[in-house]
Amino acid sequence: SQTIHQWPATLVQPVGSPLSLECTVEGTSNPNLYWYRQAAGRGLQLLFYSVGIGQISSEVPQNLSASRPQDRQFILSSKKLLLSDSGFYLCAWSQGRNSPLHFGNGTRLTVT
Amino acid sequence: SQQGEEDPQALSIQEGENATMNCSYKTSINNLQWYRQNSGRGLVHLILIRSNEREKHSGRLRVTLDTSKKSSSLLITASRAADTASYFCATALLFGGTSYGKLTFGQGTILTVHP
Repeated sequence: SQTIHQWPATLVQPVGSPLSLECTVEGTSNPNLYWYRQAAGRGLQLLFYSVGIGQISSEVPQNLSASRPQDRQFILSSKKLLLSDSGFYLCAWSQGRNSPLHFGNGTRLTVT
Repeated sequence: SQQGEEDPQALSIQEGENATMNCSYKTSINNLQWYRQNSGRGLVHLILIRSNEREKHSGRLRVTLDTSKKSSSLLITASRAADTASYFCATALLFGGTSYGKLTFGQGTILTVHP
């Protein structure tokens, strides 16, 4: 069966520090991968999605970047965090077009 | 702006009652999906309904889709305290292209079921 791992679960970082969140998927190949951010437990904002290795599409211009160095690995990064980067970050995968998303358990990021 | 908007924002009911949540969207879709999120956790997929379907059932869940009104509803029958969670609708656009496979989520409905 397929599983998705996302870490760390919580993170507290000072303003101006770098960020690296990692997500890996097991049990499937060539998944679509996504990074979402959720503010205050409400709606999800799509940040990045990827349909293949090295193929990244950015939805919202901002302080973050994403990379997909391997088929089932998706990384969210920042060189210098801002206070506004605080939030709940969710990684997800899907198999194919218009298929359901399968989410990781999320990372709670607090920038202080 | 968000494609899907849920209504109500919050719903509080007693165990055993039915809960109905609504979702409206703006543009043509390929499918509409409902997700559930327990506090502090990731979202869990509940049900997917395609644009050519009008109703779908899964256990105690019933989803309807009215493409002429661009709206959908999620009905949870005989609710339980364990159904307490946030519920989100998400829409997949009709055509791929640069929006290949991505979903747009609404703001969610917070459901509280009192025992």
